Amino acid sequence: DAKTTQPTSMDCAEGRAANLPCNHSTISGNEYVYWYRQIHSQGPQYIIHGLKNNETNEMASLIITEDRKSSTLILPHATLRDTAVYYCIVPSLYNQGGELIFGQGTELSVKP
Amino acid sequence: DTEVTQTPKHLVMGMTNKKSLKCEQHMGHRAMYWYKQKAKKPPELMFVYSYEKLSINESVPSRFSPECPNSSLLNLHLHALQPEDSALYLCASSQLRGSRPYEQYFGPGTRLTVT
Repeated sequence: DAKTTQPTSMDCAEGRAANLPCNHSTISGNEYVYWYRQIHSQGPQYIIHGLKNNETNEMASLIITEDRKSSTLILPHATLRDTAVYYCIVPSLYNQGGELIFGQGTELSVKP
Repeated sequence: DTEVTQTPKHLVMGMTNKKSLKCEQHMGHRAMYWYKQKAKKPPELMFVYSYEKLSINESVPSRFSPECPNSSLLNLHLHALQPEDSALYLCASSQLRGSRPYEQYFGPGTRLTVT
């Protein structure tokens, strides 16, 4: 998998936008960027993925830079329930299928 | 139904015991996965099943034995485990088309303690 770099931790005030960065400078042209989160004591939860264009769903927005070397996950109005570890993953095109390699992720704390 | 269920939620077993973890999904997914997660660490892939066949074994010790009886069920049989095998065991499933294998649905996990 393309190596990803994320800040170890971030804080965000409740109701404000949370912007979580991820660097993936070795990404290949057809590799997607995936984001997951894991709330304490729960299984990971898929959030969103993208290739080149910005993506939005009911949970978040994903902004990918034009050179695709970095991306930002945006939670537009963070709530206390968004406190979790957020993982940015770029699966390798050479994977046999389905392998998710989780890095250390960013621990997001949403504070009242 | 987008739920992956895992039983039991908690399991305590001795090093000489034999136990099994169970995972079930009814989303029609044809890929199922086992991950292991130690405290304060990210999940690590153990096994991948595609169309009920084992496709990936990430060099997992033989004391862990996976089984996929049908497309909805995944088991992990445990035998002669060590205390260092204590962890959260996560099951996931996904479709297999295009980029969908990486859009995985995870269960809540089984917290295993080996004494």
